[in-house]
Parts: sequence; structure tokens; C-alpha cells
Amino acid sequence: AQSVTQLGSHVSVSEGALVLLRCNYSSSVPPYLFWYVQYPNQGLQLLLKYTTGATLVKGINGFEAEFKKSETSFHLTKPSAHMSDAAEYFCAAAGAGNNRKLIWGLGTSLAVNP
Amino acid sequence: NAGVTQTPKFQVLKTGQSMTLQCAQDMNHEYMSWYRQDPGMGLRLIHYSVGAGITDQGEVPNGYNVSRSTTEDFPLRLLSAAPSQTSVYFCASSYSGIQHFGDGTRLSIL
Repeated sequence: AQSVTQLGSHVSVSEGALVLLRCNYSSSVPPYLFWYVQYPNQGLQLLLKYTTGATLVKGINGFEAEFKKSETSFHLTKPSAHMSDAAEYFCAAAGAGNNRKLIWGLGTSLAVNP
Repeated sequence: NAGVTQTPKFQVLKTGQSMTLQCAQDMNHEYMSWYRQDPGMGLRLIHYSVGAGITDQGEVPNGYNVSRSTTEDFPLRLLSAAPSQTSVYFCASSYSGIQHFGDGTRLSIL
């Protein structure tokens, strides 16, 4: 069965520092992979997705993620954190084809310090 | 284009009361789902639907019912509210695996 693990439930960075949020998936078949962001008192919104093709995926707000099959990872990065990046980030995986059910990680809360 | 609309945004119930959380989407998506979000537990799937007239259970379905009479609407019913159902509830519709979320319903059961 697929599972998604996010390492670190809380991450704190300084404004301007690199953001690295880790996500590993467990699957015998490379899945579709997603990062979602949740700002306080809001629903989740898609940051970026990997389906096929280029393994480095660029998303909104300067975030990007790289699919590494050998490491079963899909870590999220941003070169320079901004105060507005403070939010909850969720990694998710879905099987290919018509299965649209997502397997969710537990989330990582990102704090950005001035 | 409103996307996914959830009502109400907040609700307080007494134990044993029933209520319906409404969810509507205007994107003509076949797949819709309900999640609950609790601190430290991420998102847990309650029920989902792959199209009008078709629903199925997720990982935490007990105490909840759903129906899908139209593509647009996917209401979630709490049959007899319990304090353990205090949570934030999210509805989502999906196309090609990308889920679009409503802003949530914050439900407290006293």
C-alpha cells in the first residue's frame, strides 16, 4: 500500500533562508505526486504536481520540487523564504490512471522568522 | 467561477443532534470527497464519490452519510453528533488528480 511520509512536523527558517520540506513516498510504481499549501483558516491549494516527464517541477510562489525515483522522494524547496510562506504544507501521492484518491502526508508547519 | 463552496463556515452542535454540511462545485468535476482535519492527524478521507449516484467509504466513515444526486452537490450528514466529531471538515472536487478544496466547515460538538 502506498504511504507518504513528511519528515518534520514543524520547520522554522529565517526570512531569506532556504526552505526544504521533505517528502518520501512508498510505492512500487512511481505515482503522481503533489504539494499543497494551507494558509490559516483556509482550504488547501495546489502548489505543484509531478505526473510524468521532467523531474524538476516548478510551482507557484517560487517553490519547486524534484522527483527522485531512486530515493522515492519529492522534496519541496524555495531558495529564499518570505514571511508570507508561513503555512502548513502537505505532500500527497496518487496512483496513475483513474484512481483519484490521494494518500496524504501528515503535513509540515513552516514558520518564517524575521 | 466560485470553485468549491462549503456551508456553513462554523457550527456548534450538541451531542446527539444531526446536521448536514453542504458542498457545491461549479467545475463539473466527477470526483468529490470529504475530509476531516484534526491536529497532528493530517487529512483523513471520510467518503468520496466518482460521479452522480455513486459513493464509497473512505478511511473514517463511521457516523457520517453522504449522497450524490447531482454532479454539483455532495452533502455530508452527521447522523448523531458526538464530541469526537469536533473537527474541521473539507470538501474537495477533483480532475486529473488535482483536488480543489473549499474553505472548510469548523464544527464543534458540545
